[in-house]
Amino acid sequence: AQRVTQPEKLLSVFKGAPVELKCNYSYSGSPELFWYVQYSRQRLQLLLRHISRESIKGFTADLNKGETSFHLKKPFAQEEDSAMYYCALSASNDYKLSFGAGTTVTVRA
Amino acid sequence: DVKVTQSSRYLVKRTGEKVFLECVQDMDHENMFWYRQDPGLGLRLIYFSYDVKMKEKGDIPEGYSVSREKKERFSLILESASTNQTSMYLCASRPQERMNTEAFFGQGTRLTVV
Repeated sequence: AQRVTQPEKLLSVFKGAPVELKCNYSYSGSPELFWYVQYSRQRLQLLLRHISRESIKGFTADLNKGETSFHLKKPFAQEEDSAMYYCALSASNDYKLSFGAGTTVTVRA
Repeated sequence: DVKVTQSSRYLVKRTGEKVFLECVQDMDHENMFWYRQDPGLGLRLIYFSYDVKMKEKGDIPEGYSVSREKKERFSLILESASTNQTSMYLCASRPQERMNTEAFFGQGTRLTVV
């Protein structure tokens, strides 16, 4: 069975400071990994997926299979980044998503 | 614009009532999911359906059942609501044609059982 761990429930940073959200997973195969974000009063939406190796809204995430991690990073946080962030995993050939507990990010002016 | 629509944004029900939460998607997705979202616990999968009339238990199915009579509609049923089922419920859909696909979520139903 797969498991996703987000060790930080709350993260508070100043505007312009770097932000890093940690995500660790346990899964024996090759996982599909995602970051989802939920802004205040909005629905949960995809931020980025590891397969795309893309930068979305200045965020990047690197899959480290050795450390079984998929941390989310942004070099300069903005106030509009304040939201709840979830790391999620799908096992190979499976469409179910397993989510971490989530990290609430607050960016202060 | 793709859409997953949940029938109610807020619901208040009494203990012991039978409760129906409805979800409709317009993307012709095969996979549909019901999660509950609780602070500190994240999203936990209740039930999953990969086709019409097909269902699979998730991590916390106790006290819930589901129905998928049509591809676009996935219903969550609380047979006898209890106060510990007070939560935010999220419906999602995801296509089946390839992996690493995005899941689309509804706006959520906040259920309060009194």
